[in-house]
Amino acid sequence: EDQVTQSPEALRLQEGESSSLNCSYTVSGLRGLFWYRQDPGKGPEFLFTLYSAGEEKEKERLKATLTKKESFLHITAPKPEDSATYLCAVQISGYSTLTFGKGTMLLVSP
Amino acid sequence: DAGVIQSPRHEVTEMGQEVTLRCKPISGHNSLFWYRQTMMRGLELLIYFNNNVPIDDSGMPEDRFSAKMPNASFSTLKIQPSEPRDSAVYFCASSFTDRVRIGRSNQPQHFGDGTRLSIL
Repeated sequence: EDQVTQSPEALRLQEGESSSLNCSYTVSGLRGLFWYRQDPGKGPEFLFTLYSAGEEKEKERLKATLTKKESFLHITAPKPEDSATYLCAVQISGYSTLTFGKGTMLLVSP
Repeated sequence: DAGVIQSPRHEVTEMGQEVTLRCKPISGHNSLFWYRQTMMRGLELLIYFNNNVPIDDSGMPEDRFSAKMPNASFSTLKIQPSEPRDSAVYFCASSFTDRVRIGRSNQPQHFGDGTRLSIL
Protein backbone atom coordinates (compact mmCIF):
# COMPACT_ATOMS: atom_id res chain seq x y z
CA GLU A 1 0.00 0.00 0.00
CA ASP A 2 1.28 3.44 -0.89
CA GLN A 3 2.31 5.45 2.15
CA VAL A 4 3.45 8.98 2.90
CA THR A 5 4.95 9.70 6.33
CA GLN A 6 5.93 13.14 7.57
CA SER A 7 8.19 13.91 10.51
CA PRO A 8 8.27 15.43 12.96
CA GLU A 9 4.56 15.84 13.70
CA ALA A 10 5.29 19.20 15.29
CA LEU A 11 8.33 21.47 15.39
CA ARG A 12 8.97 24.58 17.40
CA LEU A 13 11.78 26.91 16.29
CA GLN A 14 13.12 30.24 17.37
CA GLU A 15 13.13 32.95 14.74
CA GLY A 16 16.29 32.51 12.66
CA GLU A 17 16.81 28.87 13.69
CA SER A 18 17.05 26.83 10.47
CA SER A 19 15.71 23.28 10.26
CA SER A 20 14.27 20.64 7.92
CA LEU A 21 10.99 18.80 7.62
CA ASN A 22 10.93 15.25 6.26
CA CYS A 23 8.50 13.45 3.95
CA SER A 24 9.23 9.78 3.28
CA TYR A 25 7.23 7.79 0.79
CA THR A 26 6.78 4.22 -0.38
CA VAL A 27 5.03 4.27 -3.73
CA SER A 28 5.48 2.48 -7.01
CA GLY A 29 5.95 4.87 -9.89
CA LEU A 30 6.26 8.35 -8.42
CA ARG A 31 5.24 11.00 -10.92
CA GLY A 32 5.39 14.01 -8.67
CA LEU A 33 5.83 15.07 -5.06
CA PHE A 34 3.97 18.18 -3.92
CA TRP A 35 4.50 20.45 -0.94
CA TYR A 36 1.66 22.55 0.45
CA ARG A 37 1.36 25.06 3.28
CA GLN A 38 -1.84 25.20 5.35
CA ASP A 39 -2.74 28.06 7.69
CA PRO A 40 -5.42 27.61 10.39
CA GLY A 41 -8.92 27.87 8.94
CA LYS A 42 -7.62 27.84 5.36
CA GLY A 43 -7.16 25.32 2.59
CA PRO A 44 -3.74 23.99 1.60
CA GLU A 45 -1.73 26.42 -0.52
CA PHE A 46 0.55 25.00 -3.22
CA LEU A 47 4.31 25.56 -2.77
CA PHE A 48 6.36 23.19 -4.97
CA THR A 49 6.27 20.20 -7.27
CA LEU A 50 9.31 17.91 -7.54
CA TYR A 51 9.49 15.32 -10.29
CA SER A 52 12.75 13.39 -10.05
CA ALA A 53 15.49 12.50 -7.58
CA GLY A 54 18.09 15.24 -7.26
CA GLU A 55 15.69 18.03 -8.10
CA GLU A 56 15.58 21.13 -5.89
CA LYS A 57 13.22 24.12 -5.81
CA GLU A 58 13.38 27.31 -3.78
CA LYS A 59 10.96 29.99 -2.72
CA GLU A 60 12.06 32.68 -0.30
CA ARG A 61 13.24 30.91 2.86
CA LEU A 62 12.05 27.48 1.70
CA LYS A 63 13.95 24.90 -0.32
CA ALA A 64 12.54 21.50 -1.27
CA THR A 65 14.70 18.54 -2.28
CA LEU A 66 13.86 15.04 -3.48
CA THR A 67 15.55 11.64 -3.31
CA LYS A 68 14.21 8.25 -4.35
CA LYS A 69 12.74 7.63 -0.90
CA GLU A 70 12.11 11.02 0.68
CA SER A 71 11.80 14.75 0.33
CA PHE A 72 13.02 17.49 2.63
CA LEU A 73 11.67 20.96 3.12
CA HIS A 74 14.50 23.11 4.40
CA ILE A 75 13.58 26.33 6.18
CA THR A 76 16.40 28.87 6.41
CA ALA A 77 16.25 31.61 9.05
CA PRO A 78 12.51 31.21 9.59
CA LYS A 79 10.24 34.05 10.64
CA PRO A 80 7.04 33.88 12.71
CA GLU A 81 4.99 34.21 9.50
CA ASP A 82 6.38 30.85 8.38
CA SER A 83 4.32 29.22 11.14
CA ALA A 84 1.85 26.83 9.49
CA THR A 85 1.25 23.15 8.83
CA TYR A 86 3.31 21.83 5.92
CA LEU A 87 1.83 18.96 3.94
CA CYS A 88 3.49 16.75 1.36
CA ALA A 89 1.63 14.64 -1.17
CA VAL A 90 2.59 12.13 -3.83
CA GLN A 91 1.13 11.52 -7.25
CA ILE A 92 1.54 8.14 -8.87
CA SER A 93 2.05 7.53 -12.57
CA GLY A 94 -1.24 7.17 -14.42
CA TYR A 95 -3.30 8.97 -11.79
CA SER A 96 -4.31 12.55 -11.15
CA THR A 97 -5.07 12.01 -7.48
CA LEU A 98 -2.78 12.85 -4.55
CA THR A 99 -2.01 10.92 -1.38
CA PHE A 100 -1.21 13.27 1.49
CA GLY A 101 0.91 12.86 4.59
CA LYS A 102 -0.53 14.05 7.91
CA GLY A 103 1.66 17.13 7.95
CA THR A 104 4.20 18.86 10.18
CA MET A 105 2.93 21.70 12.35
CA LEU A 106 5.64 24.38 12.48
CA LEU A 107 5.65 27.13 15.08
CA VAL A 108 8.28 29.87 14.82
CA SER A 109 8.61 32.02 17.92
CA PRO A 110 9.94 35.59 17.78
CA ASP B 1 -8.21 35.78 -9.83
CA ALA B 2 -11.02 33.92 -8.12
CA GLY B 3 -9.90 30.75 -6.44
CA VAL B 4 -11.97 27.71 -5.53
CA ILE B 5 -15.09 28.86 -3.72
CA GLN B 6 -16.83 26.69 -1.13
CA SER B 7 -20.05 27.25 0.77
CA PRO B 8 -21.06 27.30 3.48
CA ARG B 9 -17.88 27.98 5.48
CA HIS B 10 -19.43 26.50 8.60
CA GLU B 11 -22.35 24.12 9.07
CA VAL B 12 -23.78 22.89 12.34
CA THR B 13 -26.69 20.49 12.19
CA GLU B 14 -28.27 17.66 14.09
CA MET B 15 -27.72 13.98 13.45
CA GLY B 16 -30.00 12.61 10.77
CA GLN B 17 -30.31 15.84 8.81
CA GLU B 18 -29.27 16.18 5.18
CA VAL B 19 -26.15 18.24 4.55
CA THR B 20 -25.17 19.74 1.19
CA LEU B 21 -21.76 21.23 0.58
CA ARG B 22 -21.08 23.31 -2.51
CA CYS B 23 -18.03 24.04 -4.62
CA LYS B 24 -17.22 26.32 -7.53
CA PRO B 25 -13.89 25.33 -9.14
CA ILE B 26 -11.45 27.67 -10.82
CA SER B 27 -12.59 28.61 -14.31
CA GLY B 28 -10.83 26.52 -16.96
CA HIS B 29 -10.02 23.67 -14.61
CA ASN B 30 -11.44 20.32 -15.69
CA SER B 31 -10.65 18.19 -12.65
CA LEU B 32 -12.38 18.51 -9.28
CA PHE B 33 -11.59 16.74 -6.02
CA TRP B 34 -13.45 16.45 -2.72
CA TYR B 35 -11.39 15.80 0.43
CA ARG B 36 -12.12 15.35 4.12
CA GLN B 37 -9.65 16.43 6.81
CA THR B 38 -9.61 15.21 10.41
CA MET B 39 -6.94 15.24 13.10
CA MET B 40 -6.83 11.46 13.19
CA ARG B 41 -6.72 10.64 9.48
CA GLY B 42 -5.39 13.82 7.90
CA LEU B 43 -6.50 14.80 4.39
CA GLU B 44 -8.32 12.01 2.57
CA LEU B 45 -9.61 11.99 -1.00
CA LEU B 46 -13.33 11.24 -1.23
CA ILE B 47 -14.04 11.54 -4.96
CA TYR B 48 -12.43 12.83 -8.14
CA PHE B 49 -14.23 14.19 -11.24
CA ASN B 50 -12.73 14.77 -14.66
CA ASN B 51 -14.76 16.69 -17.25
CA ASN B 52 -17.77 16.45 -14.89
CA VAL B 53 -17.59 12.63 -14.81
CA PRO B 54 -16.78 10.76 -11.57
CA ILE B 55 -13.51 8.90 -12.14
CA ASP B 56 -12.62 7.60 -8.69
CA ASP B 57 -15.12 7.42 -5.82
CA SER B 58 -13.30 4.74 -3.84
CA GLY B 59 -12.80 7.15 -0.95
CA MET B 60 -16.50 7.81 -0.40
CA PRO B 61 -17.07 6.25 3.04
CA GLU B 62 -20.52 4.79 2.50
CA ASP B 63 -23.82 5.16 0.69
CA ARG B 64 -24.81 8.09 2.85
CA PHE B 65 -22.34 10.16 0.84
CA SER B 66 -23.01 11.26 -2.72
CA ALA B 67 -21.41 13.80 -5.05
CA LYS B 68 -22.52 15.40 -8.29
CA MET B 69 -21.03 17.70 -10.86
CA PRO B 70 -23.83 18.88 -13.15
CA ASN B 71 -21.58 21.29 -15.04
CA ALA B 72 -17.99 22.51 -15.18
CA SER B 73 -18.56 25.29 -12.66
CA PHE B 74 -20.42 23.57 -9.84
CA SER B 75 -20.25 20.49 -7.66
CA THR B 76 -22.06 19.28 -4.55
CA LEU B 77 -21.25 16.79 -1.82
CA LYS B 78 -24.29 15.51 0.02
CA ILE B 79 -24.54 13.53 3.25
CA GLN B 80 -27.90 11.94 4.05
CA PRO B 81 -28.48 11.07 6.83
CA SER B 82 -25.62 12.80 8.65
CA GLU B 83 -23.92 11.25 11.70
CA PRO B 84 -21.62 12.76 14.37
CA ARG B 85 -18.62 10.86 12.93
CA ASP B 86 -19.02 12.86 9.73
CA SER B 87 -17.83 15.97 11.59
CA ALA B 88 -14.71 17.21 9.79
CA VAL B 89 -13.47 19.91 7.45
CA TYR B 90 -14.40 19.20 3.86
CA PHE B 91 -12.27 20.66 1.08
CA CYS B 92 -12.82 21.02 -2.62
CA ALA B 93 -9.86 21.36 -4.99
CA SER B 94 -9.52 21.81 -8.74
CA SER B 95 -6.81 21.48 -11.35
CA PHE B 96 -6.27 21.22 -15.09
CA THR B 97 -5.68 17.77 -16.53
CA ASP B 98 -4.41 17.43 -20.10
CA ARG B 99 -7.30 15.91 -22.03
CA VAL B 100 -4.98 14.11 -24.46
CA ARG B 101 -3.16 12.37 -21.65
CA ILE B 102 -5.88 11.89 -19.06
CA GLY B 103 -4.45 10.80 -15.76
CA ARG B 104 -0.92 11.90 -16.62
CA SER B 105 -1.09 15.55 -15.73
CA ASN B 106 0.67 16.68 -12.62
CA GLN B 107 -0.69 20.20 -12.47
CA PRO B 108 -1.06 21.22 -8.82
CA GLN B 109 -4.43 21.12 -7.18
CA HIS B 110 -5.77 24.41 -5.82
CA PHE B 111 -7.90 24.21 -2.70
CA GLY B 112 -10.83 26.18 -1.36
CA ASP B 113 -10.94 27.26 2.28
CA GLY B 114 -13.19 24.38 3.24
CA THR B 115 -16.46 23.79 5.03
CA ARG B 116 -16.23 23.02 8.75
CA LEU B 117 -19.04 20.55 9.43
CA SER B 118 -20.26 19.73 12.91
CA ILE B 119 -22.93 17.08 13.39
CA LEU B 120 -24.47 17.14 16.87
